[in-house]
Amino acid sequence: NAGVTQTPKFQVLKTGQSMTLQCAQDMNHEYMSWYRQDPGMGLRLIHYSVGAGITDQGEVPNGYNVSRSTTEDFPLRLLSAAPSQTSVYFCASRPPGRLNQPQHFGDGTRLSIL
Amino acid sequence: DAKTTQPTSMDCAEGRAANLPCNHSTISGNEYVYWYRQIHSQGPQYIIHGLKNNETNEMASLIITEDRKSSTLILPHATLRDTAVYYCIVMKTSYDKVIFGPGTSLSVIP
Repeated sequence: NAGVTQTPKFQVLKTGQSMTLQCAQDMNHEYMSWYRQDPGMGLRLIHYSVGAGITDQGEVPNGYNVSRSTTEDFPLRLLSAAPSQTSVYFCASRPPGRLNQPQHFGDGTRLSIL
Repeated sequence: DAKTTQPTSMDCAEGRAANLPCNHSTISGNEYVYWYRQIHSQGPQYIIHGLKNNETNEMASLIITEDRKSSTLILPHATLRDTAVYYCIVMKTSYDKVIFGPGTSLSVIP
């Protein structure tokens, strides 16, 4: 049981490049989400998904795309990277259920846009 | 979703109890209170959650007022490793989007 796995751990991009941040979980969790955290700031929700085929926007969705073709994977795509997207990105998942189970977080992807 | 307010920062002496308050005056009857913490730049770590009864686990205790408008997270014997940002969140169901506020930066002082 690996929990929530994020790859890569570190990435440097040039302005205008595109890339995909990977997130996978092996706990059969229906709910998955992406956050970004800028230095000295709290977490801000980018996109989230309540199950395969269903995604929705969070607080700061502009510049990012997501898809959820399987329960296990929830990739985050940067279409045209900008320096303002330099941040640490966290993926999280949580199981459904009547007792409102907590989220499990990955270790983060540290992204720098030059 | 109900909003939460927390103090920006707090200090606590090592070995003492750390009491972190959270105000959620607009909480509705079916919303749970969750606490997470984030140590340095690691991913947030779940601590505890509750609906209306006080809760205790191996990490902390959660005290929710009778009117549910505020709660307190208690770390009974704070250690230096408890220095972190603590987030209080309220949410309804498993499918609620989870919004984090700025949290409380707790510094445990030797």
